[in-house]
Amino acid sequence: EDQVTQSPEALRLQEGESSSLNCSYTVSGLRGLFWYRQDPGKGPEFLFTLYSAGEEKEKERLKATLTKKESFLHITAPKPEDSATYLCAVQNTGANSKLTFGKGITLSVRP
Amino acid sequence: EPEVTQTPSHQVTQMGQEVILRCVPISNHLYFYWYRQILGQKVEFLVSFYNNEISEKSEIFDDQFSVERPDGSNFTLKIRSTKLEDSAMYFCASRAVGGAGYTFGSGTRLTVV
Repeated sequence: EDQVTQSPEALRLQEGESSSLNCSYTVSGLRGLFWYRQDPGKGPEFLFTLYSAGEEKEKERLKATLTKKESFLHITAPKPEDSATYLCAVQNTGANSKLTFGKGITLSVRP
Repeated sequence: EPEVTQTPSHQVTQMGQEVILRCVPISNHLYFYWYRQILGQKVEFLVSFYNNEISEKSEIFDDQFSVERPDGSNFTLKIRSTKLEDSAMYFCASRAVGGAGYTFGSGTRLTVV
């Protein structure tokens, strides 16, 4: 069974204080690892898909990296508007295409 | 930018009643999904739908639930005889063939009283 564990559960940063969010996963075969942002009361908003170990993707202040066991979402010089819950999900190489999500990391950035 | 549209945004229903949650996926997407998120918990897969049939369903998706694509644009989730524990946010998602990203709607908050 696919499993995704995210840590820490919550993270409070000062504006400009860089940090990393961790996503550990167990999957029989990885087709893709996804990062989403979720604002309160809203649906997940797609950020990145990573496919193979060593891959990196960047978008503004966010950078996602992938190893064979975990993924990191690095946030450089965060701003208050980066406050949200960040979700990690995996898709198995099996025939089915569902996503298995972690519980998410709630990030608060203080001005 | 194309988006997945869900209606209603909030539905309150009496226990035992039937509800239908509606979704309009992105027009050129062919894979459709329903997920749910109970308050404070992780997003959980319910069902996937492709080529007018269910391709996979979770153990949550029992006989109480059904999905339908009644026309070329809508995708619905029906919950028969709702229970208190069905209260959750329900998200519809769609994906293009060979597409990388799953696009989620803003969700329907279902409250069963």
